Amino acid sequence: KAGVTQTPRYLIKTRGQQVTLSCSPISGHRSVSWYQQTPGQGLQFLFEYFSETQRNKGNFPGRFSGRQFSNSRSEMNVSTLELGDSALYLCASSPDGAGGSDTQYFGPGTRLTVL
Amino acid sequence: EDKVVQSPLSLVVHEGDTVTLNCSYEVTNFRSLLWYKQEKKAPTFLFMLTSSGIEKKSGRLSSILDKKELFSILNITATQTGDSAVYLCAVEAGGNAGGTSYGKLTFGQGTILTVHP
Repeated sequence: KAGVTQTPRYLIKTRGQQVTLSCSPISGHRSVSWYQQTPGQGLQFLFEYFSETQRNKGNFPGRFSGRQFSNSRSEMNVSTLELGDSALYLCASSPDGAGGSDTQYFGPGTRLTVL
Repeated sequence: EDKVVQSPLSLVVHEGDTVTLNCSYEVTNFRSLLWYKQEKKAPTFLFMLTSSGIEKKSGRLSSILDKKELFSILNITATQTGDSAVYLCAVEAGGNAGGTSYGKLTFGQGTILTVHP
């Protein structure tokens, strides 16, 4: 089975711009979670989508948003970029996101640099 | 607020050594604890633990969970240079409502393991 894929792998933007990142989950997985990884804060949960609905959200400002399509692919968008948004953005997929025996598998991430 | 703390933050050993990585947690309505290995790419799943006292093993790696004392350890025996990575501990919790905190893992800071030849 193919793993989680993310595009693009690297992105350079300037402050004030917006960016869209894409994630394709493992075939058959319907839950997609997004995380931000920085050296200072580590891995932090952004939000989770299942069946095109956001079911859970972390403590990030409204500039961070996402969506999920009917084929379970997900996108996240960051508007009005700030320098502090520079990070590795990881997505993870699982069959239903309900935890317990439901493991999350991560994609390779998108490295976003904001200048 | 859910909290996961790993120790040590970094560790330098030589090939053949045995290492023990620690993970303690304080969460509401614990459901599972996961270990991941991260090199310069995606975190790779190692173990998921839900029951106390049951050891999970995969080759030279093993892990055990103590739900009473709220911690887990990851052991790596006969370390190799290829074990050099960041080891991440994450907890999935149900939250205050006692339900499911869908898709959310709370991660520790990670332990940077460096294995020298």
